[in-house]
Amino acid sequence: DTGVSQDPRHKITKRGQNVTFRCDPISEHNRLYWYRQTLGQGPEFLTYFQNEAQLEKSRLLSDRFSAERPKGSFSTLEIQRTEQGDSAMYLCASTSGLTGELFFGEGSRLTVL
Amino acid sequence: GEDVEQSLFLSVREGDSSVINCTYTDSSSTYLYWYKQEPGAGLQLLTYIFSNMDMKQDQRLTVLLNKKDKHLSLRIADTQTGDSAIYFCAELSGGGADGLTFGKGTHLIIQP
Repeated sequence: DTGVSQDPRHKITKRGQNVTFRCDPISEHNRLYWYRQTLGQGPEFLTYFQNEAQLEKSRLLSDRFSAERPKGSFSTLEIQRTEQGDSAMYLCASTSGLTGELFFGEGSRLTVL
Repeated sequence: GEDVEQSLFLSVREGDSSVINCTYTDSSSTYLYWYKQEPGAGLQLLTYIFSNMDMKQDQRLTVLLNKKDKHLSLRIADTQTGDSAIYFCAELSGGGADGLTFGKGTHLIIQP
């Protein structure tokens, strides 16, 4: 399977714990995006990378959130001191940037108790 | 700011055509997209249209774009039970650096 893969698919954690999600994009795609989706909503942009450079961050991305793409391939999204409001589906997508269409992974669902 | 609006629900009978509508506000949108999301799954790209086109057809799918009214529609011919999902309209505007702006999605419900 050469699509976008995300891990883990589902994470249940207690409030205050740290969690990390991983995304492996389609190999030839240089742009990688993180989105958050809550129930009944469309995906909301969090941040994006062009190769290893993080070029844009949404105001939704508080100081407790950090994303990296150290070698321009896979990316991690870490949430520190999780809160119940962080419960959501975290979606990763990649693109070659030519026509803008994003290819999404299956998502990582976070449940904060 | 950018905004994409869709109706929340659409109910159609199996075999009929479904028409899902979307309006957007950003006149600089360059590409517009339709994504499908099944329960518990990620988003699957169905089709997209460049802003200088007014129609695109791909098998059972027809996309119509009225740039003047900033209105996009997706028509699914001969709707099947497997088409039951949430359909998201999305736009790419300006330099596209922020990725896509999505609507809240339309739940397509198929009646037997």
